[in-house]
Amino acid sequence: GAGVSQSPSNKVTEKGKDVELRCDPISGHTALYWYRQSLGQGLEFLIYFQGNSAPDKSGLPSDRFSAERTGGSVSTLTIQRTQQEDSAVYLCASSSGTPGIDTIYFGEGSWLTVV
Amino acid sequence: AQSVAQPEDQVNVAEGNPLTVKCTYSVSGNPYLFWYVQYPNRGLQFLLKYITGDNLVKGSYGFEAEFNKSQTSFHLKKPSALVSDSALYFCAVRDKEGSYIPTFGRGTSLIVHP
Repeated sequence: GAGVSQSPSNKVTEKGKDVELRCDPISGHTALYWYRQSLGQGLEFLIYFQGNSAPDKSGLPSDRFSAERTGGSVSTLTIQRTQQEDSAVYLCASSSGTPGIDTIYFGEGSWLTVV
Repeated sequence: AQSVAQPEDQVNVAEGNPLTVKCTYSVSGNPYLFWYVQYPNRGLQFLLKYITGDNLVKGSYGFEAEFNKSQTSFHLKKPSALVSDSALYFCAVRDKEGSYIPTFGRGTSLIVHP
């Protein structure tokens, strides 16, 4: 596609429910990132996928968070038993070429509200 | 370890005046540096990056940034601000010898007054 696509754009869920957030990166991009943006907190790294390598999960805040990337393309971020502190914008980004140098392109984000 | 600081939560400037949004960084080795802009209810858009070479980097929408190794800074500048430049600006750094994951600052809100 033309850009990084994320869905849903907005999600309101009840505390304790599970949610899935989807990211479709730019076609051909091998690197995929998930970040979380909370009010006044800047961007918090969650997880990084690069090609077929094992993902870097070092930013996941708890074991309620998980992510997978199928076929080296689409990624799903899953939050189990959501808590109010999970309310944030979840941003997906992708890049191609030399990891860490090439420009990272962001999607519009998925706004999650836990009530 | 790598980190980036944006010391100002908010910058106010009058339209037509020059603007500066500050960023300082810390890395063990050499840095790759990036600026992104976020308009309300939108994702982040890439403005410019420093990888190597000329310390003055020019980017989108008339923005530029100067890499200063001695001061470990990468301030974003524009000679003449527009009201439409009002947005949230993020600086990011990656250690050349480190992981492939950039670290972002907390963001600076730029407000350009008519």
